[in-house]
Amino acid sequence: DQQVKQNSPSLSVQEGRISILNCDYTNSMFDYFLWYKKYPAEGPTFLISISSIKDKNEDGRFTVFLNKSAKHLSLHIVPSQPGDSAVYFCAASGAGGGADGLTFGKGTHLIIQP
Amino acid sequence: DTGVSQDPRHKITKRGQNVTFRCDPISEHNRLYWYRQTLGQGPEFLTYFQNEAQLEKSRLLSDRFSAERPKGSFSTLEIQRTEQGDSAMYLCASSGGGATQYFGPGTRLTVL
Repeated sequence: DQQVKQNSPSLSVQEGRISILNCDYTNSMFDYFLWYKKYPAEGPTFLISISSIKDKNEDGRFTVFLNKSAKHLSLHIVPSQPGDSAVYFCAASGAGGGADGLTFGKGTHLIIQP
Repeated sequence: DTGVSQDPRHKITKRGQNVTFRCDPISEHNRLYWYRQTLGQGPEFLTYFQNEAQLEKSRLLSDRFSAERPKGSFSTLEIQRTEQGDSAMYLCASSGGGATQYFGPGTRLTVL
């Protein structure tokens, strides 16, 4: 049973436009959410995170929105750049203070077209 | 800041052989995690250390897997009697106490 779901395996966006990646979760004990970016043959790179007490967090071109009632979060990238082409993973952490590891979705492959 | 490093980056072995991977976390990070990632999946949690103590193990970590962090710095993950199903990317991550984990480049294991 997948507790973190990324329902879009891939997403194609034109350079300069907004990229919106979505993530849903089922476990109400999750209290911290993270987005990672991954290039082939490399480890995931941390992008941005959000605590469950917030509904928005912004860092440069990246903004994460959290809707707790819908158990849904999204990552907005504006404007999209060619270097943003990668696989993006949504991850969640429970109330175990880090002892429980992160639970990841299957990822969304973002392709930025020129 | 040298980041998390892992060695080797690639390992090819024959079924039944033992393999050992090493992870060096970010300096002064007291938490260290191992994950496994297979094609088309996100990383899956295997085990967690706080300093030298192994505090959590996933049910994915069968008896053939063992991990150590002897002095609370680097960690090793050993797989005994490897099987073809063990072929995956093995990722190590560390954190300084918050929920954000920083990942290494991974070790790609291929079992023939």
